[in-house]
Amino acid sequence: GQNIDQPTEMTATEGAIVQINCTYQTSGFNGLFWYQQHAGEAPTFLSYNVLDGLEEKGRFSSFLSRSKGYSYLLLKELQMKDSASYLCAVTNQAGTALIFGKGTTLSVSS
Amino acid sequence: DTAVSQTPKYLVTQMGNDKSIKCEQNLGHDTMYWYKQDSKKFLKIMFSYNNKELIINETVPNRFSPKSPDKAHLNLHINSLELGDSAVYFCASTSGSGGPRPYNEQFFGPGTRLTVL
Repeated sequence: GQNIDQPTEMTATEGAIVQINCTYQTSGFNGLFWYQQHAGEAPTFLSYNVLDGLEEKGRFSSFLSRSKGYSYLLLKELQMKDSASYLCAVTNQAGTALIFGKGTTLSVSS
Repeated sequence: DTAVSQTPKYLVTQMGNDKSIKCEQNLGHDTMYWYKQDSKKFLKIMFSYNNKELIINETVPNRFSPKSPDKAHLNLHINSLELGDSAVYFCASTSGSGGPRPYNEQFFGPGTRLTVL
């Protein structure tokens, strides 16, 4: 089956850089997703990695190492609005749905 | 211009009642999902439909029955509601029949917060 681990909570200050780690074990791999979810809102897509390496998108970057079953989401120049839950997800074995980790709640303070 | 919409946004009901949540997407997507997010924020897949056909049915009590009248709609009916059913239910959709393939990101609806008293 699919198993995903990520830290429950993290704190950081405005302007800083934070790295949210995610480790996974899967039966078959079709890519890893990161979603952002603000309190009381729906998850929104941030990034997708299927090959090893770093994908950069503005202040956010996502890294994948398939051999290590490891990914991280890097957030630079943190802003208060980045306070949210960050969900790591992989596809199920059939590739037909997402299996989410329990999410990392990031609190950004001034 | 809402991409994925759900009704109602809030639902408060008594144990034992039967209720339905509706979902509609105007993105032309082929695949729709229902997820449950519990009080610990854990988001878990319940059902998936592709072109009105059920393709995923995770370990969910048979009190939960999804219905897809057409590929733009996926409704969730819950019988004999229990306290443990209290959660936020999210509908989502994605293009393609294979699920969340590269760049076929899932679009989530705003969620329905169900409270069972």
